[in-house]
Amino acid sequence: GAGVSQSPSNKVTEKGKDVELRCDPISGHTALYWYRQSLGQGLEFLIYFQGNSAPDKSGLPSDRFSAERTGGSVSTLTIQRTQQEDSAVYLCASSSGLRTEQFFGPGTRLTVL
Amino acid sequence: AQSVSQHNHHVILSEAASLELGCNYSYGGTVNLFWYVQYPGQHLQLLLKYFSGDPLVKGIKGFEAEFIKSKFSFNLRKPSVQWSDTAEYFCAVKGITGGGNKLTFGTGTQLKVEL
Repeated sequence: GAGVSQSPSNKVTEKGKDVELRCDPISGHTALYWYRQSLGQGLEFLIYFQGNSAPDKSGLPSDRFSAERTGGSVSTLTIQRTQQEDSAVYLCASSSGLRTEQFFGPGTRLTVL
Repeated sequence: AQSVSQHNHHVILSEAASLELGCNYSYGGTVNLFWYVQYPGQHLQLLLKYFSGDPLVKGIKGFEAEFIKSKFSFNLRKPSVQWSDTAEYFCAVKGITGGGNKLTFGTGTQLKVEL
């Protein structure tokens, strides 16, 4: 079926505003991941959901970042009070289990002015 | 903590040249290893993966990689590159024992293949 989809593809916001980024994983995939790709920092893990287990939030850079996954499918990454250093491409990935590869979406390019 | 080092940041080759991109990782337990590629304007795609078994793995488009456990390396190779291989290549590691399920990526290697 379809791959991982993300929306919006581009988001421009003003410093201090909140943003929500959405990810639709591949149907049937139980694991969902968020990463961030930025100049100078490369690809960084943010958060990981697996089934009904508590998410692994160890990569979230600050308490302004949060994510939820509703109904075991769609996920939303929320960044509150955005800062210019939050500008990056936010990537979502999903996998069918712990020992399988992760499939990446096209990303959301976030620009904070 | 797991980490990945890619030594070549920018590589320029002529078509038909051979390619080897270095990747070394740091992790004290069992790992899964991956190479991802990002073509211009496209999203990350899996080139190949190593989970267990034969340390020489073959991927798409003629790429292969060899896991050398004693050297903590997973170098990517291709005998003859094409212009269409121009892309950014990322090595990634996932620690199986206590590393969670996250991928840790190297900083990437930008490959440019000239005609």
